[in-house]
Amino acid sequence: GENVEQHPSTLSVQEGDSAVIKCTYSDSASNYFPWYKQELGKRPQLIIDIRSNVGEKKDQRIAVTLNKTAKHFSLHITETQPEDSAVYFCAATYAGKSTFGDGTTLTVKP
Amino acid sequence: DTEVTQTPKHLVMGMTNKKSLKCEQHMGHRAMYWYKQKAKKPPELMFVYSYEKLSINESVPSRFSPECPNSSLLNLHLHALQPEDSALYLCASSQELSGLVKLFFGSGTQLSVL
Repeated sequence: GENVEQHPSTLSVQEGDSAVIKCTYSDSASNYFPWYKQELGKRPQLIIDIRSNVGEKKDQRIAVTLNKTAKHFSLHITETQPEDSAVYFCAATYAGKSTFGDGTTLTVKP
Repeated sequence: DTEVTQTPKHLVMGMTNKKSLKCEQHMGHRAMYWYKQKAKKPPELMFVYSYEKLSINESVPSRFSPECPNSSLLNLHLHALQPEDSALYLCASSQELSGLVKLFFGSGTQLSVL
């Protein structure tokens, strides 16, 4: 089955700095890669996603890149704010099944 | 309505109890999911229902029994659980059955098994 590795497990940045989270996947059949943000005590929420036929997607301060050949994708957050502090999960999806990475705890210090 | 609603929010049960978790969505989504999430871990898929039929069962023990009475409702029946089953149980739905599976999660039921 699919295996998703996510790094780093924790990330601490100063407000205004950029943050990058990286994921690799094993199954070349995976064709959809969403990112979820989970604040403490809250539900996971989709923040951005990318399909396998797209290399990059941007939505305001967040962007995702995908390298299908290398089987890795990354989340980029620019101009970080304290409200960006949360756990971020990447996922690789195929045939209706999403496999999640272990998560990255992002802390943005004011 | 763009929410997935789960009840109850918290549940404490003994190992001999029978209880049910409930999930409801009114977005017309065709797939519904049960996930289990332990503290500081990612959600783990348990079951997937597509068009009210069970399509994926991730080898979940029989003490967990899912039910999909109609396209808006999803239940998880619990019986003879173990303390290690204590976790946050998340329901989710998605419009797509494959491809762009964007998951909308409920707030979850925090389950404690004593």
